[in-house]
Amino acid sequence: AQSVAQPEDQVNVAEGNPLTVKCTYSVSGNPYLFWYVQYPNRGLQFLLKYITGDNLVKGSYGFEAEFNKSQTSFHLKKPSALVSDSALYFCAVRDTGRRALTFGSGTRLQVQP
Amino acid sequence: DAGVIQSPRHEVTEMGQEVTLRCKPISGHDYLFWYRQTMMRGLELLIYFNNNVPIDDSGMPEDRFSAKMPNASFSTLKIQPSEPRDSAVYFCASSFPVAGGNEQFFGPGTRLTVL
Repeated sequence: AQSVAQPEDQVNVAEGNPLTVKCTYSVSGNPYLFWYVQYPNRGLQFLLKYITGDNLVKGSYGFEAEFNKSQTSFHLKKPSALVSDSALYFCAVRDTGRRALTFGSGTRLQVQP
Repeated sequence: DAGVIQSPRHEVTEMGQEVTLRCKPISGHDYLFWYRQTMMRGLELLIYFNNNVPIDDSGMPEDRFSAKMPNASFSTLKIQPSEPRDSAVYFCASSFPVAGGNEQFFGPGTRLTVL
């Protein structure tokens, strides 16, 4: 079975500082990994994905994520946080045998001005 | 494209009533997913379809829940009879198969409150 863990319920960071939102995963085969963002009263929006290739993946709004196979992690990063980045972030995984995604519990990012 | 469309956006009903949630996927997408989001359980996959055929309904909570996709542009999720514990935000998402991985496009959700 595939699973995702987001160990932090909330991450607080000051505007302009770098941010990291953590994610670890477990799958039986090769992982396909995703990050989504959810703003209040909205659906989830796709940020970026890792399928294969470069371990550093760049996505929307200046976000990037680093795939680490040995640590089974896929942490979301941004060099300089904005107040408008405050939202709920979800990591998701699927293995090559399934089409459906398994989502983590979500991490609330709070960027203080 | 208008994106994934869900209706209604909000639904308040009384326990025991039938509830029908509707979804129109993005044109050309051949996968459709229904999710439920609650504070306690997070985001759960209920069921998904490929080319209008249900592929995996293992996440459907019980027989009170049913989902259909009569054609490529419409799907429904029905709860009959509804119970207070069904209160949640229900999301529909669609995707098309991309070599290696498919990002899902989510609708705005339907907030269901069962009194």
